[in-house]
Amino acid sequence: QKEVEQDPGPLSVPEGAIVSLNCTYSNSAFQYFMWYRQYSRKGPELLMYTYSSGNKEDGRFTAQVDKSSKYISLFIRDSQPSDSATYLCAMRRKTSYDKVIFGPGTSLSVIP
Amino acid sequence: DTEVTQTPKHLVMGMTNKKSLKCEQHMGHRAMYWYKQKAKKPPELMFVYSYEKLSINESVPSRFSPECPNSSLLNLHLHALQPEDSALYLCASSPQGQGAEFGREQYFGPGTRLTVT
Repeated sequence: QKEVEQDPGPLSVPEGAIVSLNCTYSNSAFQYFMWYRQYSRKGPELLMYTYSSGNKEDGRFTAQVDKSSKYISLFIRDSQPSDSATYLCAMRRKTSYDKVIFGPGTSLSVIP
Repeated sequence: DTEVTQTPKHLVMGMTNKKSLKCEQHMGHRAMYWYKQKAKKPPELMFVYSYEKLSINESVPSRFSPECPNSSLLNLHLHALQPEDSALYLCASSPQGQGAEFGREQYFGPGTRLTVT
């Protein structure tokens, strides 16, 4: 079983839809959770990070962590064509010099 | 300034060449990273520098040699690469140089697209 799993998609939605992107993980020691957006042929861009369980909102983006289910989500409201990208979840333990583990990424297309 | 810059953007090299990739950040970050990313795959960690010292080497072949001359610069020296080393090489930095929050926020550069012929 991989440490972090993510549906690769592709996910295609109409403009204005609410998008739900999800990751599951197996290591209960993960404490920090991040979401990155990566446009084609560009480096990943940090969108959100959260610590432990709960919700965090930033504009049209909401990150949700459910540690009991080992499940994290990113919701995008009022999706725009410019949101079309690959979304990578990432996480790490709360220990020194520990590396971040990335999920494989979900490809999202928002159709005008 | 929240930018990580990388040069060159593209690089084509033969298997006998020696070349270097460069990365720069002026955000005062104390940790810097090299990642390799193949198409449709997540980034794979190669090296981590913390306070200009190598702290993580993910068993990368010796044909890749990292260097951190100062807190703002990170180089990756390439020698005798193989065609399978063709990939997007990403540099990243994060504010926390050590401790439990090390690596939590990583800011990536645009990458160098490397082709080995």
